Amino acid sequence: EIVLTQSPSTLALSPGERATLSCRASQTVNSNYVAWYQQKPGQAPSLLIYGAFNRATGIPDRFIGTGSGTDFTLTISRVEPEDFAVYFCQLYGSSPLYIFGLGTKLETK
Amino acid sequence: EVDLRESGGGLVKPGGSLRLSCEASGFMFNSYSMNWVRQAPGKGLEWVAVIGSSGSRIYYADTVKGRFTISRDNAKNVLYLQMNSLRAEDAGVYFCARERKVTPAADSWGQGTLVTVSS
Repeated sequence: EIVLTQSPSTLALSPGERATLSCRASQTVNSNYVAWYQQKPGQAPSLLIYGAFNRATGIPDRFIGTGSGTDFTLTISRVEPEDFAVYFCQLYGSSPLYIFGLGTKLETK
Repeated sequence: EVDLRESGGGLVKPGGSLRLSCEASGFMFNSYSMNWVRQAPGKGLEWVAVIGSSGSRIYYADTVKGRFTISRDNAKNVLYLQMNSLRAEDAGVYFCARERKVTPAADSWGQGTLVTVSS
C-alpha cells in the first residue's frame, strides 16, 4: 500500500508569506491522480488542485500545485487570512482507491 | 449549483446498524461516480467506498468490506451507505463526495453527518 507523507505537520506563517506544503509518496505515482484539498474547522474538505497542478473551479492562482514521481508540493504564493486551514494531499487509483495524507495545518504565526 | 446533503447519522451501539443517505441536486447525478469519505474526530480523511454512475463499479476500503454496502437510486438522486456491525472505530463524520469524470478527485462534498458508536 502506498503511503503519503505530508510535511510539515504544522506550518506557522504570517499573512503575505509564502507557504510550501510537501506530500511525498512511498513509491512513484501517476501525477494525474494527485489532488490537494483544503479543510476549515467544522467544514467539509474542498478541492483545490487535481492532476497535481490543475486548479479546481474558482481557486485563486496563488494556489500552485507542482511535482511528479514521488514528490508533490502545494505552494501558496502569498498567504491570505482565509487560507489558514488544514491541507490534505490525496492519491487516487491505488489500494485503497483513495489515499489521503495526514494533513498539514497552516496556522497564524 | 451542486448540492449534497447527508442525513441518517446518529448514536448507535457497537454491533448496530445505520443507513446514511446523501441527496444530490444541481447536477446530473446519474452521470457521476460517488464516494463516501469519513473523518474520525480530530483526525484525517479516510475513503470508505465508491459507486459508479450506473452502480456497476463498487469498491470498498478493507476496513469496511463485508460490513458496509454502498448503493444509489438514480431515479431519486440519492446515494446510500448501509453500515452494519458497527464498531467504535467507525465513529466520525461521514461525507458524500462527487468524483470528477476525468482526472479523478472529489470535486464536491456534502456537509457531513455524524456517526457515534457507543454503548
